[in-house]
Amino acid sequence: GESVGLHLPTLSVQEGDNSIINCAYSNSASDYFIWYKQESGKGPQFIIDIRSNMDKRQGQRVTVLLNKTVKHLSLQIAATQPGDSAVYFCAEKGNTGFQKLVFGTGTRLLVSP
Amino acid sequence: GAGVSQSPRYKVAKRGQDVALRCDPISGHVSLFWYQQALGQGPEFLTYFQNEAQLDKSGLPSDRFFAERPEGSVSTLKIQRTQQEDSAVYLCASSLGSGLARETQYFGPGTRLLVL
Repeated sequence: GESVGLHLPTLSVQEGDNSIINCAYSNSASDYFIWYKQESGKGPQFIIDIRSNMDKRQGQRVTVLLNKTVKHLSLQIAATQPGDSAVYFCAEKGNTGFQKLVFGTGTRLLVSP
Repeated sequence: GAGVSQSPRYKVAKRGQDVALRCDPISGHVSLFWYQQALGQGPEFLTYFQNEAQLDKSGLPSDRFFAERPEGSVSTLKIQRTQQEDSAVYLCASSLGSGLARETQYFGPGTRLLVL
C-alpha cells in the first residue's frame, strides 16, 4: 500500500511492549496539544489531547506527558499491538483566536507480532 | 457514515490543468479546515472557514489556490494551473464549534493529487 512517509523516524517494537513516542513543539504560547494516529491512506485520527495546565493525561492504553519547561510532549502506548502500527503526529494549538493545528514531523511505529 | 468525506480520493492532473477537491464535513460542524500534506511530512494548514466565512487563508501557497464554502457546509478547494509541486495529499477537517481552544478536529481520508 501507499506510504504516509518514507523518511520518518521509526520506532520498532514487539507486540506487548510499551512504546514511547516523543515530540518537541515549537511555540511556548501553545495552549493545547493533540496526538494523532495516521494509517496508510487515511486521514489523521484523534488519539488523546492535553491542555497546557496539565502535565499528564491518561486514556485507554495511552498516556500523554507534557513538559512545558523543555517544550516536550510524549505519547506512551501500553501493551502495543500490531494494529497500533501507523505514523504518529503531535500537533499544537495557540491560545488566541481560532486555532489552526501545527503538526510535528511524525514518527512511524512498527509493531512486530 | 457520519465522518468527514472527501472526493475524489485520487486525482491525476497534467501540469497546467485546474482541479477541484470536495469536502463534506460532519453535519452541523461550524468550522472547516484544509491542510496540505507532502510525502513524509505532517499536514500544513491552508485555510479555515467558520460557516461560510473564510476567516484565514494565510496558508494558501499562491493565488492559484482558492477555497469556498458558499452555504456553510460543503467546501471546495480549487487549484488553478496545477504545478508538480502541488502534488500532495489534501486533507479536510471539521470541528463542532468556532474553532477556538480545545476542540477536536476530525479529518477526512484526504485527496491524493498527483500532477504530472
